[in-house]
Amino acid sequence: ELKVEQNPLFLSMQEGKNYTIYCNYSTTSDRLYWYRQDPGKSLESLFVLLSNGAVKQEGRLMASLDTKARLSTLHITAAVHDLSATYFCAVENSGGYQKVTFGTGTKLQVIP
Amino acid sequence: SQTIHQWPATLVQPVGSPLSLECTVEGTSNPNLYWYRQAAGRGLQLLFYSVGIGQISSEVPQNLSASRPQDRQFILSSKKLLLSDSGFYLCAWRGLAGYKNIQYFGAGTRLSVL
Repeated sequence: ELKVEQNPLFLSMQEGKNYTIYCNYSTTSDRLYWYRQDPGKSLESLFVLLSNGAVKQEGRLMASLDTKARLSTLHITAAVHDLSATYFCAVENSGGYQKVTFGTGTKLQVIP
Repeated sequence: SQTIHQWPATLVQPVGSPLSLECTVEGTSNPNLYWYRQAAGRGLQLLFYSVGIGQISSEVPQNLSASRPQDRQFILSSKKLLLSDSGFYLCAWRGLAGYKNIQYFGAGTRLSVL
């Protein structure tokens, strides 16, 4: 059974600081996703990572994937208040069903 | 372009009442469809997924069921709701490689069972 663990679960940081959210998963996978969820809202896709060593960047967020270590990171550079949200990583199983297992989420609070 | 619709947005139901949540996708054909539930302050739990009409796979034994009567329609149902069924229900679809290989989520239905 595929398990996905994120840490930290909660992160409070000041504006302008850098930090990293970690996502570990237990079995081989086809791809890994990062999503953002604002309070009371649905999920917004941020990144999809398809291969070992993949790195994608959008604004102050950068995601990377190490399939050998079964680890993905979401790095936040010079955080701003607008980045406050809950971030989920999700891992797709190796198989034909495109089944995606979500991590528990990291609630990020950026303090002005 | 592709869009996904969920309704209703909010629902308050008494314990023991039936449930029907509907999800439809436009602008694509033969999508994979998913139902997730998110309890308050928690992550997403996959409930059902479907790779085609009439093909439903259940991930979690419970009093919920799903059906796919048409290619782009996915319905979540219950005959008798429990308090523990409260949560935020999200429908998602995924298409072929041309759609960036990601799941697109609907706006969600917030269900409160009282």
